[in-house]
Amino acid sequence: DVVMTQSPLSLPVTLGQPASISCRSSQSLVYSDGNTYLNWFQQRPGQSPRRLIYKVSNRDSGVPDRFSGSGSGTDFTLKISRVEAEDVGVYYCMQGTHWPPSITFGQGTRLEIK
Amino acid sequence: QVTLRESGPALVKPTQTLTLTCTFSGFSLSTSGMCVSWIRQPPGKALEWLALIDWDDDKYYSTSLKTRLTISKDTSKNQVVLTMTNMDPVDTATYYCARTRITIFGVGPDIDYWGQGTLVTVSS
Repeated sequence: DVVMTQSPLSLPVTLGQPASISCRSSQSLVYSDGNTYLNWFQQRPGQSPRRLIYKVSNRDSGVPDRFSGSGSGTDFTLKISRVEAEDVGVYYCMQGTHWPPSITFGQGTRLEIK
Repeated sequence: QVTLRESGPALVKPTQTLTLTCTFSGFSLSTSGMCVSWIRQPPGKALEWLALIDWDDDKYYSTSLKTRLTISKDTSKNQVVLTMTNMDPVDTATYYCARTRITIFGVGPDIDYWGQGTLVTVSS
C-alpha cells in the first residue's frame, strides 16, 4: 500500500501567522488519466473530518480562501495564509490514486495556537 | 442535503462480531459512481480506511483487515452494513461511514461527506 507521510506532526502557530503542512507519498499520485487524487481533511476537536481540498488544489465550497493546496507527484502542501482560532484541529492528507487496493491517510498534523 | 448516520453497539466483547449500519440520505447508491466507505479512528490516532462498496455492488477491503470484514448494501433502505469478526481491544475506535464517489472509469475514490461516527469499545 502507498504510505502517506505528513510533517510536522505538531504545529504550534501564532494567530494571524501562516502555517504549512507537508504530505509525501511513497509513490507518485499521478493517475494515468492525468488526475492526482490527493485530498486534505480538517478534523476539529470532537468533530468528524471535513474535506477542505480535493485533487490537490480544489477548495471545497464554504472553505475560506486562506486555505490552499499545492504540489505534484509525491510532494504536497496545505497552506493556511493567516491562522484563525477556528483552524485548531488535526489535518489529514488522503490518497485515492492507488485504489484499489487501498485508500490511505497520513498520520495527521495537529495544529494548535501558540 | 447529504447526511450519513452510523449505528451499532457501543460495547462488544473480544472475539465477538461487530455489525454497524450506515443510514444515509441525499444520494442514491444506485447512481453510477456513488459509493460508501467505512473508516475508523482509534482514540487519539489517525484515520484508517476499512472498506468500500460501490453502486454496482463491487466491494473493496483494506489489505490488512480483509479477512475480517464484510460490507453489504440495501439500496431500497439507503443502508450499508459493515461486519467485522473476531473483535479485539485494539479495534476500539470511532467508526465512520462516508460518501465516496469514483469516476466513470471506476477510479479516484473521493470521500466528501462523513457521518458523525460511532464509538465502539472492545472490552470484556
